[in-house]
Amino acid sequence: NAGVMQNPRHLVRRRGQEARLRCSPMKGHSHVYWYRQLPEEGLKFMVYLQKENIIDESGMPKERFSAEFPKEGPSILRIQQVVRGDSAAYFCASSTQETQYFGPGTRLLVL
Amino acid sequence: SQQGEEDPQALSIQEGENATMNCSYKTSINNLQWYRQNSGRGLVHLILIRSNEREKHSGRLRVTLDTSKKSSSLLITASRAADTASYFCATDAGGGSYIPTFGRGTSLIVHP
Repeated sequence: NAGVMQNPRHLVRRRGQEARLRCSPMKGHSHVYWYRQLPEEGLKFMVYLQKENIIDESGMPKERFSAEFPKEGPSILRIQQVVRGDSAAYFCASSTQETQYFGPGTRLLVL
Repeated sequence: SQQGEEDPQALSIQEGENATMNCSYKTSINNLQWYRQNSGRGLVHLILIRSNEREKHSGRLRVTLDTSKKSSSLLITASRAADTASYFCATDAGGGSYIPTFGRGTSLIVHP
């Protein structure tokens, strides 16, 4: 049973470009979470999705950020018009009940 | 949601010693979990303790929970260099969507 997969592992963008981060949950998991982590800090919750539904997006910035988890395919975290402050590691996790299983993360660097 | 806060922020010990990390939180919880993160990697779930449990063991790990003090501790016995990592606690207050919130973590360095 493959674990949570994220791609790309590293992403470099220039200011103003778009970043698309993908997350494939563990097989059988229907819940996906996205977190952002800055260096030396903990994970900050961004959004919680189930298939075709956003359950909680209280941690998402109001502008430029969006997330989806379609019926087929991976969950996508999309950041439009990236700025330097978006540089961080973005982790996704999937779960069935209480325990989350994390992917290896995508490290986004905005130049 | 609420945030657990780990203490100390950093801990440096010799191989073979025990390492103790603490987590405090603010309001009632359903459960508390400890995770480990190696540098540059995702988090790995270590152990879950429910609000009606006081202590739990898993191999060299021992977790305690004191709901009256709103705190938990993670003890790693007979530490190894491979235990070097950051350790996070995550709390879930229940009441609907399961959204654990994480503290800043304790950075543990075990010197061989």
